[in-house]
Amino acid sequence: KAGVTQTPRYLIKTRGQQVTLSCSPISGHRSVSWYQQTPGQGLQFLFEYFSETQRNKGNFPGRFSGRQFSNSRSEMNVSTLELGDSALYLCASSLMVSSYNSPLHFGNGTRLTVT
Amino acid sequence: AQTVTQSQPEMSVQEAETVTLSCTYDTSESDYYLFWYKQPPSRQMILVIRQEAYKQQNATENRFSVNFQKAAKSFSLKISDSQLGDAAMYFCAYRSAAGANSKLTFGKGITLSVRP
Repeated sequence: KAGVTQTPRYLIKTRGQQVTLSCSPISGHRSVSWYQQTPGQGLQFLFEYFSETQRNKGNFPGRFSGRQFSNSRSEMNVSTLELGDSALYLCASSLMVSSYNSPLHFGNGTRLTVT
Repeated sequence: AQTVTQSQPEMSVQEAETVTLSCTYDTSESDYYLFWYKQPPSRQMILVIRQEAYKQQNATENRFSVNFQKAAKSFSLKISDSQLGDAAMYFCAYRSAAGANSKLTFGKGITLSVRP
């Protein structure tokens, strides 16, 4: 069974631009979560989607948004990029909403660099 | 708000030896879940082991086991018979058992190196 697939693996953008990251969950998984990983802040929760609905949201500005499609694939969008948005963005899927019995399975991440 | 603390940024272990990675957390909740994730250079986070707070018995997965001390809010990971492939960053994570709050709160991680 294929794992969580994130595209692209690497991305370089300029300040002020916008970017869209894509995540394809494991087949059959209906929940997708997004996390931002930086050396200074560590891993921080962005949002979680289940059945095309945002279930939970972290403390990020409105420039960060996401959506989930009917096939469970998810996209994350960051508008008006800032230097501080440079990070590894990790997507994770789970069968149901993330829980003990439905743990997260992570992708390899998208490394975003903002110059 | 819940916090997870991993106070050791780096640790090193000799191959075949045992190493313990520390993790403490702070919460006012009584029911929650704890996890250890491994992140090798490939960047993919891999679930190593998980523990339900209401279970007193410590979880074990092959060479990996935890020492869960609920009163002390401590959740350490023991790796026995360390192998070169165990070298990675290890993250401790907390999740509330309350259904509405499904996010994981991670510690800052610890880099484990394994000496041949």
